[in-house]
Amino acid sequence: GQNIDQPTEMTATEGAIVQINCTYQTSGFNGLFWYQQHAGEAPTFLSYNVLDGLEEKGRFSSFLSRSKGYSYLLLKELQMKDSASYLCAVMDSNYQLIWGAGTKLIIKP
Amino acid sequence: GAVVSQHPSWVICKSGTSVKIECRSLDFQATTMFWYRQFPKQSLMLMATSNEGSKATYEQGVEKDKFLINHASLTLSTLTVTSAHPEDSSFYICSAKSERDFNEQFFGPGTRLTVL
Repeated sequence: GQNIDQPTEMTATEGAIVQINCTYQTSGFNGLFWYQQHAGEAPTFLSYNVLDGLEEKGRFSSFLSRSKGYSYLLLKELQMKDSASYLCAVMDSNYQLIWGAGTKLIIKP
Repeated sequence: GAVVSQHPSWVICKSGTSVKIECRSLDFQATTMFWYRQFPKQSLMLMATSNEGSKATYEQGVEKDKFLINHASLTLSTLTVTSAHPEDSSFYICSAKSERDFNEQFFGPGTRLTVL
């Protein structure tokens, strides 16, 4: 079966760095996405990785290792507004998105 | 980035009535759109995949006769919740796949349905 695993909840301090991990087992691979979702709102796109390595975009970076079925989202200089759920999703061979359950990130002052 | 709109943003209805939710891709054509449901504090759950000009593909456990999906054009898909009941109250989110953007899914803002 297809499976995406990520931690349920994480807590970090304002100004610090946090890494949210995601491991996956899917039928084929056409890229991995990270989305941010604030409570009561739709997800918003953060990053897309299809090749191994690190993609940096401002305070957010995303890493992918296809051989390990592993990705992480790195958030630097955390701000209170970063408190949200972070969803990892993998596009399988049929171009369907397989979703993780999301990681709720709590930022403390 | 591509824009997806959803209408209405929120709706309150009586038990037993039907509610239609529209999902539109505003600046791109979407052969495929997806409908998700999200209960409070839970992750997105894919309900069905909507393909333009053909029948939707429903996920296991989703009643196709209760959740009617019509994808009549490359920019519009509709979800109709028929004979809604309180347990159907949820946040319904659509997304549209953009082939020009590496098949990324762009999400609508969601529709909050409350069935009394």
